[in-house]
Amino acid sequence: QQQVKQSPQSLIVQKGGIPIINCAYENTAFDYFPWYQQFPGKGPALLIAIRPDVSEKKEGRFTISFNKSAKQFSLHIMDSQPGDSATYFCAASRIGGYQKVTFGIGTKLQVIP
Amino acid sequence: GAVVSQHPSRVICKSGTSVKIECRSLDFQATTMFWYRQFPKKSLMLMATSNEGSKATYEQGVEKDKFLINHASLTLSTLTVTSAHPEDSSFYICSAKFENTGELFFGEGSRLTVL
Repeated sequence: QQQVKQSPQSLIVQKGGIPIINCAYENTAFDYFPWYQQFPGKGPALLIAIRPDVSEKKEGRFTISFNKSAKQFSLHIMDSQPGDSATYFCAASRIGGYQKVTFGIGTKLQVIP
Repeated sequence: GAVVSQHPSRVICKSGTSVKIECRSLDFQATTMFWYRQFPKKSLMLMATSNEGSKATYEQGVEKDKFLINHASLTLSTLTVTSAHPEDSSFYICSAKFENTGELFFGEGSRLTVL
């Protein structure tokens, strides 16, 4: 059972464009929604995260939009650059205790110069 | 962000040998660490949850006798692949959970190649 559904699986945008990656979750107990960026041969790096008590969070060129009623959240990358080309994973978990993190399938983003 | 160090980054071994991978949280204490396996162009597959001072919790289908996990201190967890075979070749990644915020910080990963 895939608890976090992520789309699209791949995405190509021109430099300066705004790629949008979407995720949907099923478990309403989740209260922590991070996004990770992974370059080939490297471990994932935490990019930005949001809690369900806010609808949007922005850090630099990265913005998370969160829709609690729809159980959906998305990542927007403003003014995308070739250096943003990587695989992006959304995730969901509960903060407390030994709760594991459930990952989406990943989106391979390519930003063309 | 917090730093998680994973070592070695690459290891090549012969079939039948055992390999140990270390995961250290360098600037915070982690009660909970996770071990993942990642196949090419795939998402992270959780193998087990490592809890300091207690036995690891393995995901369904993961052989606990083959993938030995030890979380002896609040800053160190180890994964030992015992009697490795070519099908164990993969990218193994650890992560440590920062309890106060729930943030998960990942190591750089370890590429295991079993000949």
